[in-house]
Amino acid sequence: SSELTQDPAVSVALGQTVRITCQGDSLRNYYAGWFQQKPGQAPVLVIYGKNDRPSGIPDRFSGSSSGNTASLTITGAQAEDEADYYCNSRDTSDTHLVFGGGTKLTVL
Amino acid sequence: EVQLVESGGGLVQPGGSLRLSCAASGFTFRRYWMHWVRQAPGKGLVWVSRINGDGSSTNYADSVRGRFTISRDNAKNTLYLQMNSLRAEDTAVYYCARDLDSSGSGYFDLWGRGTLVTVSS
Repeated sequence: SSELTQDPAVSVALGQTVRITCQGDSLRNYYAGWFQQKPGQAPVLVIYGKNDRPSGIPDRFSGSSSGNTASLTITGAQAEDEADYYCNSRDTSDTHLVFGGGTKLTVL
Repeated sequence: EVQLVESGGGLVQPGGSLRLSCAASGFTFRRYWMHWVRQAPGKGLVWVSRINGDGSSTNYADSVRGRFTISRDNAKNTLYLQMNSLRAEDTAVYYCARDLDSSGSGYFDLWGRGTLVTVSS
């Protein structure tokens, strides 16, 4: 099975734009899913596929992909966006799924 | 209301067994791939297993293959995870999750609140 690599921590000033990245061989073939998790809560899907947002997710969240890297961009970060963010995808064998290690986003 | 509710967690000794359940409501359960995902205390998300809509296809993480069995009862709208030969490293909150993708890609659009499994003597 393959792995997905994320930066452990990222910070952004309130109202600014931040990009959270996820790297892995499987991302050359599959789009990532992105999840937001706040302390004590279940994760929430924020981006999936090429750049789709589930109902109720603000449009300041967007996704992109190039080569082996998927990115989640928050344009105009809000205080409530402070959370852990995880990417996932199928693995290269398509028999497993894999999560990245997570990125802790701090909004300053 | 569209929801998933896990149950069955608890304290179990190493080598023991536990069966988790996930009751689904508010949607057509049989149409969806379903997954189990776990999270050890203070750690990240880890995919455990998935099953397709009619139960004919299953996959497992290497760390649980041969010890865990995923199944479903579509008549009861319930997902299960039978966990045998439990180890300390299986200690985690276990979430069930619905996959919005028809091929089981892992786009989990609905999660339960999780059930805690603690493996300890």
